[in-house]
Amino acid sequence: DAMVIQNPRYQVTQFGKPVTLSCSQTLNHNVMYWYQQKSSQAPKLLFHYYDKDFNNEADTPDNFQSRRPNTSFCFLDIRSPGLGDAAMYLCATSRVVQETQYFGPGTRLLVL
Amino acid sequence: GDSVTQMEGPVTLSEEAFLTINCTYTATGYPSLFWYVQYPGEGLQLLLKATKADDKGSNKGFEATYRKETTSFHLEKGSVQVSDSAVYFCALTSNNDYKLSFGAGTTVTVRA
Repeated sequence: DAMVIQNPRYQVTQFGKPVTLSCSQTLNHNVMYWYQQKSSQAPKLLFHYYDKDFNNEADTPDNFQSRRPNTSFCFLDIRSPGLGDAAMYLCATSRVVQETQYFGPGTRLLVL
Repeated sequence: GDSVTQMEGPVTLSEEAFLTINCTYTATGYPSLFWYVQYPGEGLQLLLKATKADDKGSNKGFEATYRKETTSFHLEKGSVQVSDSAVYFCALTSNNDYKLSFGAGTTVTVRA
């Protein structure tokens, strides 16, 4: 089945230690999104890629970076995680912008 | 800007009860409307969608009708099961925007 895959499902890191979360998709969608979701809140968009074009949200901290080496993969890099960065990180894809977004299972990040 | 307002929770029901979660929106033009469901510890799953006025989305016994005159997209299910316990998010995308605007989410608990 075509899907959005996120690895790992759970990630533990130390305060200030860089961490990378990964997302892959078999849907061949042009757009990939990264969201941050804190407990009991709606997801918050961090940035998205349309093909290779990167689009950062104005309020996304500089601590968060992303890479998309090819159509299938997209990475979220947190350069120096703080305790406030502990959250669920969701990857989503859509064929084009404005069309339905399909989400992966998420990676729950714990910062010690 | 675009916004979604949905019924505050939590909502607690008995099995086989009728569920309604109200959702109203503010948007320019003709947005597409979505309901996503999030089970504990999981990512968001698309439950149903509607892309134009008077469309009815349906899936797994859930239904919602796009009502432009009342700017609403209420979610209903006639007989809930324990397995329907989850957080439900109403969301929209506008014609000229890549963003998925979410409501705050409604936590539903179904008791046997």
